[in-house]
Amino acid sequence: TQLLEQSPQFLSIQEGENLTVYCNSSSVFSSLQWYRQEPGEGPVLLVTVVTGGEVKKLKRLTFQFGDARKDSSLHITAAQPGDTGLYLCAGHIYNQGGKLIFGQGTELSVKP
Amino acid sequence: DTGVSQDPRHKITKRGQNVTFRCDPISEHNRLYWYRQTLGQGPEFLTYFQNEAQLEKSRLLSDRFSAERPKGSFSTLEIQRTEQGDSAMYLCASNRFSGGNTDTQYFGPGTRLTVL
Repeated sequence: TQLLEQSPQFLSIQEGENLTVYCNSSSVFSSLQWYRQEPGEGPVLLVTVVTGGEVKKLKRLTFQFGDARKDSSLHITAAQPGDTGLYLCAGHIYNQGGKLIFGQGTELSVKP
Repeated sequence: DTGVSQDPRHKITKRGQNVTFRCDPISEHNRLYWYRQTLGQGPEFLTYFQNEAQLEKSRLLSDRFSAERPKGSFSTLEIQRTEQGDSAMYLCASNRFSGGNTDTQYFGPGTRLTVL
C-alpha cells in the first residue's frame, strides 16, 4: 500500500499549457516537500509546506497543503520545456520520526 | 556548503559480490538518511542516523545490508552477496535536526548500482 499517492504518473503537454500534480494520503503529515529530479541525479528541493491550508509560490509554480495536512498539489502555469523532469512529493508522517515518505513521482514532459 | 557527496557515482558488480558506498553529509548536519530508488519510482526509506546512532531501519533493509556512521560524520552502506534485485539508485540525504521532524533533507547525487 502506497502511503502517499501521487498522480498523474506521466504527463506530456505542450509549452504554454497549465498542469496540476496531486499527492494524497490517509495519513496526516507534519510537513510536505516537493522535489524535482533530473535523470541520474538526486532530488532537489523546491518547497516545504508545514501549515494546513498553506500556499507557496515559486515563480510559475504554486504549491498548496491541504487544510487537514493529508494532501498537497503542485500547479505549474504556462509550462516551459525547462520544466521537464520528475516531480516528487514527500512528507513526514506525523509522529513517525525523521524519514521521508515519497510519492511515486510524476514524469513531466513539456514539448516546445 | 559543498552539498552532500556520494562515492562512487556508478558501480557495476557481479551477483554475489559485496559493495560499499560512502556518503559525506553537509558539514554540521547531525542526521543522515539512506534511501533506495528504482527506475520509475519514488525513493524508499532504508535507514537513518542521528550522529553515530542508527535510529530507524526499514523492513526493506535485509540482513545483507548494513549501514554505519562511526564518527557521526560520513556514513557507509554495505550490501553483501548482491542480488540482481539490488540494482537501484542509492540516495543519501542529510539535515540538521532542530527538534521537529519538518527539517528539510538535502540529497546527494546518488550511487547507481547495477548487479549483473
